[in-house]
Amino acid sequence: DGGITQSPKYLFRKEGQNVTLSCEQNLNHDAMYWYRQDPGQGLRLIYYSQIVNDFQKGDIAEGYSVSREKKESFPLTVTSAQKNPTAFYLCASSIERRTNEKLFFGSGTQLSVL
Amino acid sequence: KQEVTQIPAALSVPEGENLVLNCSFTDSAIYNLQWFRQDPGKGLTSLLLIQSSQREQTSGRLNASLDKSSGRSTLYIAASQPGDSATYLCAAYTDKLIFGTGTRLQVFP
Repeated sequence: DGGITQSPKYLFRKEGQNVTLSCEQNLNHDAMYWYRQDPGQGLRLIYYSQIVNDFQKGDIAEGYSVSREKKESFPLTVTSAQKNPTAFYLCASSIERRTNEKLFFGSGTQLSVL
Repeated sequence: KQEVTQIPAALSVPEGENLVLNCSFTDSAIYNLQWFRQDPGKGLTSLLLIQSSQREQTSGRLNASLDKSSGRSTLYIAASQPGDSATYLCAAYTDKLIFGTGTRLQVFP
């Protein structure tokens, strides 16, 4: 089955720790995205990538980093500089980053601070 | 700056009712508007995508309309079922997707 796989489903971070969220897709999509979802707020874009070895900051990139070494993979690292990391993180992909493309989402990772 | 608002924030209806979810956006220069469904603790599933040149899209019991001039989109759900219970989000695409905060729908038997 084609789709987007996010892991882990739940993740706990200690103070000062960096953690990495995994996102893998087998849809052969060029564009991949990371969103953050907080209760009562809409999804906010953290980073996006239109092609391998290229990525761009979204609206709330501070305290986060990404890499795109393979087409299938777009991991997100939440660094210790992100002071309020507790949120639901969603990875998405589309064929291209164009105006008429549907987004396909993974099932999300809930990150909490210990 | 594009802002997307969804009203109501929550809705509870008996099974079988036809219902309308509302989405409004401040910048009418959108390329498309998308409706998504989100089940608790899950990712989003795309329901309908309406291009800026279109007025509506239909999929089964779902119909989404778009009125760019008034900055509004509606999602119509016919003959609602308990399985329709979820949060419904709309998102407007200008230079990026801007999401609303969603309408949490509960359909009770």
